[in-house]
Amino acid sequence: DQQVKQNSPSLSVQEGRISILNCDYTNSMFDYFLWYKKYPAEGPTFLISISSIKDKNEDGRFTVFLNKSAKHLSLHIVPSQPGDSAVYFCAASDRGSRLTFGEGTQLTVNP
Amino acid sequence: NAGVTQTPKFRILKIGQSMTLQCTQDMNHNYMYWYRQDPGMGLKLIYYSVGAGITDKGEVPNGYNVSRSTTEDFPLRLELAAPSQTSVYFCASSPAGTGPGSPLHFGNGTRLTVT
Repeated sequence: DQQVKQNSPSLSVQEGRISILNCDYTNSMFDYFLWYKKYPAEGPTFLISISSIKDKNEDGRFTVFLNKSAKHLSLHIVPSQPGDSAVYFCAASDRGSRLTFGEGTQLTVNP
Repeated sequence: NAGVTQTPKFRILKIGQSMTLQCTQDMNHNYMYWYRQDPGMGLKLIYYSVGAGITDKGEVPNGYNVSRSTTEDFPLRLELAAPSQTSVYFCASSPAGTGPGSPLHFGNGTRLTVT
């Protein structure tokens, strides 16, 4: 039972354009959502998060949107840079005890 | 500040062998986690700990054991290695669970192959 799902295994965009990564979840008890970024041979690193009481959170070039009624969140990266090329994991927290991760989306930003 | 340190980085095991994956953190975090990452499957939680002496099962605990005798260390034990345990293992820590203001800090992983 995949409670957090990222349906796109990969995404390719041009440098300077917008990257949009999507994530869907099924568990209505999730109350906090995060995005992690992972480079090869490294562990994931925290990127940005959003609480279920908000619908948008911005941090520089990164914005996360949450649509609770649709159980959907997305990560927007504007403008995309080649250094953003990495695997992006969506994760959800159920009352702060542990995280459930999606499968990941490989983002490639072409110069 | 080293953060979360995992050893070894790589290991090849034969079926039926045992080994311990080491994880230590120097951030004085109470919470520690073990995840495995299989290709295209994301990260699955194996075990976690909310403090020294306290551990609990995650989604995929079968075939693994953990202990937490100190705040700093959270080793993961494989008793009888099986090919299904071929994976990349990540240890992580956080100061106070997984809620706001408490993101997980990950180590760089241990790549394990069982043949």
